[in-house]
Amino acid sequence: AQSVSQHNHHVILSEAASLELGCNYSYGGTVNLFWYVQYPGQHLQLLLKYFSGDPLVKGIKGFEAEFIKSKFSFNLRKPSVQWSDTAEYFCAVNSGAGGYNKLIFGAGTRLAVHP
Amino acid sequence: EPEVTQTPSHQVTQMGQEVILRCVPISNHLYFYWYRQILGQKVEFLVSFYNNEISEKSEIFDDQFSVERPDGSNFTLKIRSTKLEDSAMYFCASSARTGRADTQYFGPGTRLTVL
Repeated sequence: AQSVSQHNHHVILSEAASLELGCNYSYGGTVNLFWYVQYPGQHLQLLLKYFSGDPLVKGIKGFEAEFIKSKFSFNLRKPSVQWSDTAEYFCAVNSGAGGYNKLIFGAGTRLAVHP
Repeated sequence: EPEVTQTPSHQVTQMGQEVILRCVPISNHLYFYWYRQILGQKVEFLVSFYNNEISEKSEIFDDQFSVERPDGSNFTLKIRSTKLEDSAMYFCASSARTGRADTQYFGPGTRLTVL
């Protein structure tokens, strides 16, 4: 069965620090990869997505992610975080094996950024 | 920007009661989904719906659950006889299409509390 692993459950950073959140998935076929963010009290919002092409994907608010097929990874990065990046971050995948119908989510990483 | 909306934001019910959670997907979207997140756990896929039929459902989506598109704008999730373990945040999502290049857009969620 497909699964998504996010290595860090809680991350605490100071403003201006660099961020990297790990995500690995367990499906060898063609996949779509997503990062969603949930700010406190708000709904899941799409940060960025990878379908095909350039494995380095740029999203909103200065986030980017790199798809490394050989490592089954899709890590999220930001060079300099802000207090407003405090949120929970979810990696998700869907695939042709599931008819692209369902997203499989990781457990989420709760990021706290201190001023 | 068009958004998925959900009502109510919070529903409290007694065990054994029926609840209906409502969603208004983005207006030109054709594919609809329900997910749930039990407190402290992953976001889990429940069901996908297209052309007035269920496309796929998870093992969680048993006979106690049903979905319906009663009119051109609403998409509902009914839980026939709620159990304590149904307490969770329920997210509706929609996408314009499915397949290789779809993106699911999520609503703000309904927090269901079963007492």
